[in-house]
Amino acid sequence: AQKITQTQPGMFVQEKEAVTLDCTYDTSDQSYGLFWYKQPSSGEMIFLIYQGSYDEQNATEGRYSLNFQKARKSANLVISASQLGDSAMYFCAIPLSWRGSNYKLTFGKGTLLTVNP
Amino acid sequence: KAGVTQTPRYLIKTRGQQVTLSCSPISGHRSVSWYQQTPGQGLQFLFEYFSETQRNKGNFPGRFSGRQFSNSRSEMNVSTLELGDSALYLCASSIKGGTEAFFGQGTRLTVV
Repeated sequence: AQKITQTQPGMFVQEKEAVTLDCTYDTSDQSYGLFWYKQPSSGEMIFLIYQGSYDEQNATEGRYSLNFQKARKSANLVISASQLGDSAMYFCAIPLSWRGSNYKLTFGKGTLLTVNP
Repeated sequence: KAGVTQTPRYLIKTRGQQVTLSCSPISGHRSVSWYQQTPGQGLQFLFEYFSETQRNKGNFPGRFSGRQFSNSRSEMNVSTLELGDSALYLCASSIKGGTEAFFGQGTRLTVV
């Protein structure tokens, strides 16, 4: 079974600085994907970025990038130039079966990021 | 392109009642998943539907059920509501299993 561990319940960062949110995972699959979602106080889960286990390059999407270390089973999210609107819960997630017929996300407990002005 | 739409956004029900939540996926998406989010248990998978068939089910009692229609819209039903069913219920749609899922804004259910 898949498992996601996010060890930082809360993080603080100053506006315009970079922040790293930790995520470690456990899976027996050889091929898998990892996702990061942002959940503001409104409740909607917003897809940010994904990393495929066989992708040679670390994923990047604008100010978001993934520090993917496959051997250590870690997929940390890096947010550069933090903005006040980045204040939210951030979840790391892994699907049950990557590119298979089944699809079930296992989420971590999340990290509450607060960006200070 | 419209996103995932969940209705209603907020709901208050009494213990013992039943409730039906609705989810309209992104056009062209045939997979719809449901998740329950509570402060204590976090995000938990309820079930997934693809082309009107339930393909996966999480560890929830039989009071939780769902269905998917031919237009991919999905409903979930909770019967005999308990206080512990108070949660944010999120629906996610994807083109097919394995791609990223896009979530709706959720339905916040309060059971009193």
